[in-house]
Amino acid sequence: GAVVSQHPSWVICKSGTSVKIECRSLDFQATTMFWYRQFPKQSLMLMATSNEGSKATYEQGVEKDKFLINHASLTLSTLTVTSAHPEDSSFYICSARDPKAGGPIGELFFGEGSRLTVL
Amino acid sequence: AQTVTQSQPEMSVQEAETVTLSCTYDTSESDYYLFWYKQPPSRQMILVIRQEAYKQQNATENRFSVNFQKAAKSFSLKISDSQLGDAAMYFCAYRRPGTASKLTFGTGTRLQVTL
Repeated sequence: GAVVSQHPSWVICKSGTSVKIECRSLDFQATTMFWYRQFPKQSLMLMATSNEGSKATYEQGVEKDKFLINHASLTLSTLTVTSAHPEDSSFYICSARDPKAGGPIGELFFGEGSRLTVL
Repeated sequence: AQTVTQSQPEMSVQEAETVTLSCTYDTSESDYYLFWYKQPPSRQMILVIRQEAYKQQNATENRFSVNFQKAAKSFSLKISDSQLGDAAMYFCAYRRPGTASKLTFGTGTRLQVTL
């Protein structure tokens, strides 16, 4: 099946620094990617929808200036956590839509996730 | 807004037995898609099974099958002949039609498989 890769899989940073997480679709072109956040023992909460070549659409309550999303190519979306604080520590998961799988709406494939720890 | 509810935070099943995970959802749409995802300890989400709302026939994938009750807005997952590798978090999810539509997840059910 289709593969979505996230990098890094885990990262530790100091408070106040910025961290970039990459999400790549390895064998398909994804015009739409989604970024989720997952706290321990909780569900996935959608943060934003990343559209290739245009601005991301953020969910209510998600700070656009803090969580910068760039979808510059059909195979890469990045999430940058700016001026990170300990409360930003979480598991971040991306999902990419393969338009050639799963019928008319396309199939969503998930990356392995990235665990961010802010000290 | 659509909501997805999983009322069972944890379930346990013996190996080789059958277990059913519950899911209900709320929507005003008539056309939509429902999914069950598995999240093992590795944390990568894996699609288990999907159901199109316009299809009356329940979806089946090997040992996994669903009971889709559209009028009741219920979408349960049955795992037959449970295996140790089935132990994971299971999330029910809803998706509207549309190429850019997002997944709305339930709160998840942790499934334990015992010997």
